Amino acid sequence: EVQLVESGGNLVQPGGSLRLSCAGSGFMFSKYWMVWVRQAPGKGLEWVANINQDGSQEHYVDSVRGRFTISRDNAKDSVFLQMNNLRPDDTAVYYCARGGSAPGEYWGQGTPVTVSS
Amino acid sequence: QFVLTQPPSASGTPGQRVTISCSGGTSNIGNNPVNWYQQLPGTAPKLLIFGNDQRPSGVPDRFSGSKSDTSASLAIGGLQSEDEADYYCAAWDGRLHAYVFGPGTQVTVL
Repeated sequence: EVQLVESGGNLVQPGGSLRLSCAGSGFMFSKYWMVWVRQAPGKGLEWVANINQDGSQEHYVDSVRGRFTISRDNAKDSVFLQMNNLRPDDTAVYYCARGGSAPGEYWGQGTPVTVSS
Repeated sequence: QFVLTQPPSASGTPGQRVTISCSGGTSNIGNNPVNWYQQLPGTAPKLLIFGNDQRPSGVPDRFSGSKSDTSASLAIGGLQSEDEADYYCAAWDGRLHAYVFGPGTQVTVL
């Protein structure tokens, strides 16, 4: 069974940092693009970043470029999102999802991030 | 603000057919496959349609997708109460180098 489990969400002050993790299981992790998507309270889905199979390609939404970094460790079947200089408008539930030809066929349960003083 | 546009809401009675449109441009829908997601309240999104018209295993065949030029549509045939959810279209945008979602359409079963 394919599973994605996020962790690391928390309450953080503006300007602070957080590192989100997503552990995959039940599939060959190293063969898939991985994606982070977020959803602010009461809002729609927003793609944040993705990373290719060996970590050599990364893409970011403009609003996080330069502040967030996506990375992966295929030996640990995990993808990460390092979030720096956090702003209140980064407050959201952050989901990781499996990419590929059927992007988002599998999602984690989400981890909440709140940026507030 | 949104690269892809969708109607904010749609509704129908049980058994009716409901169609949701998604309009974009040549940099996204016009040159890349469209995917559709369903999100029930309080849950993670679920992939409903990928590659314009393909259903993942387990998705009922009353859900169907289509694409023409720079627009796409999701049709729900035989609407059921459990179809009450938010529906999002999405596609890769080659100009933005980003995966873009539409604003979502809330479907209500009357």
